[in-house]
Amino acid sequence: QKEVEQNSGPLSVPEGAIASLNCTYSDRGSQSFFWYRQYSGKSPELIMFIYSNGDKEDGRFTAQLNKASQYVSLLIRDSQPSDSATYLCAATNFGNEKLTFGTGTRLTIIP
Amino acid sequence: SAVISQKPSRDICQRGTSLTIQCQVDSQVTMMFWYRQQPGQSLTLIATANQGSEATYESGFVIDKFPISRPNLTFSTLTVSNMSPEDSSIYLCSVPDRVNEQFFGPGTRLTVL
Repeated sequence: QKEVEQNSGPLSVPEGAIASLNCTYSDRGSQSFFWYRQYSGKSPELIMFIYSNGDKEDGRFTAQLNKASQYVSLLIRDSQPSDSATYLCAATNFGNEKLTFGTGTRLTIIP
Repeated sequence: SAVISQKPSRDICQRGTSLTIQCQVDSQVTMMFWYRQQPGQSLTLIATANQGSEATYESGFVIDKFPISRPNLTFSTLTVSNMSPEDSSIYLCSVPDRVNEQFFGPGTRLTVL
């Protein structure tokens, strides 16, 4: 049973629109959640993390966490072609820094 | 964030041989992690490398196949032993920086023929 699940996509969004990426997790012991962006041929780069219920904003990015629904999302406002990448959702348990990754969602921003 | 380097960046190897991948961090860290990303797949944790103790391996990964060294707080190596084409992957090391933030090295792209 997968612990972290994402829609693999591809997800196509027009430039300037809001891209919405979703992630669900099955382990209620999961405490912190991370969004990574991975360009083809590159290593993942951390966008942001969230561990409290609600929203967390950083520039054009907003992470949302709903622990009751075991759901994490990432919103990208004013999408740019440079946002085209695979977005990986990851989770860790309390006191454990090992990351469990979802399969990733491939996002394409259409100019 | 920590600056992480890996060597080699890529390699093409023959089956049955071994390759040692190095990971260097510009600051001292307690834990280092080794991940594998198979073609078209997400990342899977291989093991946690702790300084001064044996590495802790995840289910499905064994020390004989993936021996790890951690001689100090800034360096670790992962060896992929007796390679087969199924070992063709990107191998990544990562380190936790500030609380809850984990960063990845540039990765080693391995192709086994």
